[in-house]
Amino acid sequence: DIQMTQSPSSLSASVGDRVTITCRASQGISNYLAWYQQKPGKVPKLLIYAASTLQSGVPSRFSGSGSGTDFTLTISSLQPEDVATYYCQKYNSALSTFGQGTKLEIK
Amino acid sequence: QVQLVQSGAEVKKPGASVKVSCKASGYTFTSYGISWVRQAPGQGLEWMGWISAYNGNTNYAQKLQGRVTMTTDTSTSTAYMELRSLRSDDTAVYYCARRRWGSSPAEDYWGQGTLVTVSS
Repeated sequence: DIQMTQSPSSLSASVGDRVTITCRASQGISNYLAWYQQKPGKVPKLLIYAASTLQSGVPSRFSGSGSGTDFTLTISSLQPEDVATYYCQKYNSALSTFGQGTKLEIK
Repeated sequence: QVQLVQSGAEVKKPGASVKVSCKASGYTFTSYGISWVRQAPGQGLEWMGWISAYNGNTNYAQKLQGRVTMTTDTSTSTAYMELRSLRSDDTAVYYCARRRWGSSPAEDYWGQGTLVTVSS
């Protein structure tokens, strides 16, 4: 099974900061990766699919990049409403796996 | 608009089974799949598997093979997830989500979640 490892597990940053979260696959998955945001007590929300395509309605400060085994989610200017846990998920086969999550807080 | 509405909270005893429903509306049900994802209290997301609403093909996480069954009723645009031989560590919020396939797979719309509590 392909494992997905996110880093860091938690992170604290200031409003306006550029924030980067990484996700590493144990084997190559091409660009079959999505990113989700889950705010406290809420349902997960799709942010990015195919590694770098922004889901409709998602603010442009979110971006994704990567291919193969290494991927990043970047928030260009952190906003208070971005406090959430972020998950990557791989889709390169019929089976999917989530990363363990990265909890993002405001400093 | 796309909506996925799940059945209500359940309390079950260890060893019992639970069946959660997910009624879809606002799109062509058979053009997508339905995934099931669970989240134990204070924990991360765990992908359980998915079913094609087009042909009923299923793919389950290895950890749950033999205990989980996913089905659909295309006449009512409803998906079901049954989990058997429940244990205390199955206590979680269970989500259904619409799964796109093809070149850009993702779970793009989610149900509100169903809390399943397993307790003696």
